[in-house]
Amino acid sequence: DAGVTQSPTHLIKTRGQQVTLRCSPKSGHDTVSWYQQALGQGPQFIFQYYEEEERQRGNFPDRFSGHQFPNYSSELNVNALLLGDSALYLCASSFGQPNTGELFFGEGSRLTVL
Amino acid sequence: AQRVTQPEKLLSVFKGAPVELKCNYSYSGSPELFWYVQYSRQRLQLLLRHISRESIKGFTADLNKGETSFHLKKPFAQEEDSAMYYCALRVGGGNKLTFGTGTQLKVEL
Repeated sequence: DAGVTQSPTHLIKTRGQQVTLRCSPKSGHDTVSWYQQALGQGPQFIFQYYEEEERQRGNFPDRFSGHQFPNYSSELNVNALLLGDSALYLCASSFGQPNTGELFFGEGSRLTVL
Repeated sequence: AQRVTQPEKLLSVFKGAPVELKCNYSYSGSPELFWYVQYSRQRLQLLLRHISRESIKGFTADLNKGETSFHLKKPFAQEEDSAMYYCALRVGGGNKLTFGTGTQLKVEL
């Protein structure tokens, strides 16, 4: 089991562009969450998808959107990129809702906005 | 809004010494508290949660609602304990965890 896989691992964009990040959850998991981790900070919750719907959302603007597919994989889209969007984006998966709170994290996608 | 505070960015201890990583939270209700750990070149992973009251790798953490704290303790530090530790809080049963800024633990020989 490869666990949670994310792609791409690194990418560079310029201000105003759009980016799509992808995540495949751990085998058997049906819930995907996305977190943003700025340098020197803890992960910050963006949103959670379960049964192909956004179930919870953190304090992020509408420029951040997502999708979950029938196979439970997920995408995070960020429009109109700002310099402040530069961060490590982590995907985390779990099984069922509610759950134990044990999230399985991917290695992340490091986004640099120039 | 809930908040998690980890006052120490870096904690350096000698092997065999006791370890205490501090975590304070602000939330008026009954939250769930967790400790997550990230070892070098590994993914962020769950270490322990207050509700299970387990000892994992020799670490324990007790939820003190009066002091709104959830400090992580280990009586004798080992070299392999060197890692980044994050305290996290959850309200409700979803996947929205509020993380602290983390404490880098360095165990020196």
